[in-house]
Amino acid sequence: AQTVTQSQPEMSVQEAETVTLSCTYDTSESDYYLFWYKQPPSRQMILVIRQEAYKQQNATENRFSVNFQKAAKSFSLKISDSQLGDAAMYFCAYRRSNNNDMRFGAGTRLTVKP
Amino acid sequence: DTAVSQTPKYLVTQMGNDKSIKCEQNLGHDTMYWYKQDSKKFLKIMFSYNNKELIINETVPNRFSPKSPDKAHLNLHINSLELGDSAVYFCASSPRERGGGDEQFFGPGTRLTVL
Repeated sequence: AQTVTQSQPEMSVQEAETVTLSCTYDTSESDYYLFWYKQPPSRQMILVIRQEAYKQQNATENRFSVNFQKAAKSFSLKISDSQLGDAAMYFCAYRRSNNNDMRFGAGTRLTVKP
Repeated sequence: DTAVSQTPKYLVTQMGNDKSIKCEQNLGHDTMYWYKQDSKKFLKIMFSYNNKELIINETVPNRFSPKSPDKAHLNLHINSLELGDSAVYFCASSPRERGGGDEQFFGPGTRLTVL
């Protein structure tokens, strides 16, 4: 079974600084996708970034980037120039390439200090 | 324009009652899901439907019954509600069955409180 582990229940960052959220996963598959979702206090789940396992290049979306280490099964999220609006729960998720079943980690609550 | 909508957003009810949560997506997606988020924020898939057919049915009590009248709707009916059913329930949709890389679009969630 695939599992996703987020070892940091809570993180905080100063506004304009950079923070990295950790995620590791366990799988025997070679073809899969990884995601980071953001859940602000409004409860709405929003996709932040996704990574295809077959791509070696790390995905980036504006201030958000990932460090994907396939051999280590690690998928961390880096948020640069943190903004107050980045405060939220962040969930790492895994899904096999030909599958609907998405597995989420337990989440990391990010606080941004002004 | 709301892509994935759920009603109601809040639901407070007594133990033993039967309740339903409705979900609709206007994205033309083939696949829809129900997730449960518990008090510790852990998000777990319950069901997945593709074009009205059940694809995923995790280990969920049979008091929970999803119904998909058409591919744009996936409702969740819960019988004999228990205290442990209190949670936030999210509906989601994605474009294709087995589209591993597809984004899942989530509804706003329904906070269910069982007293």
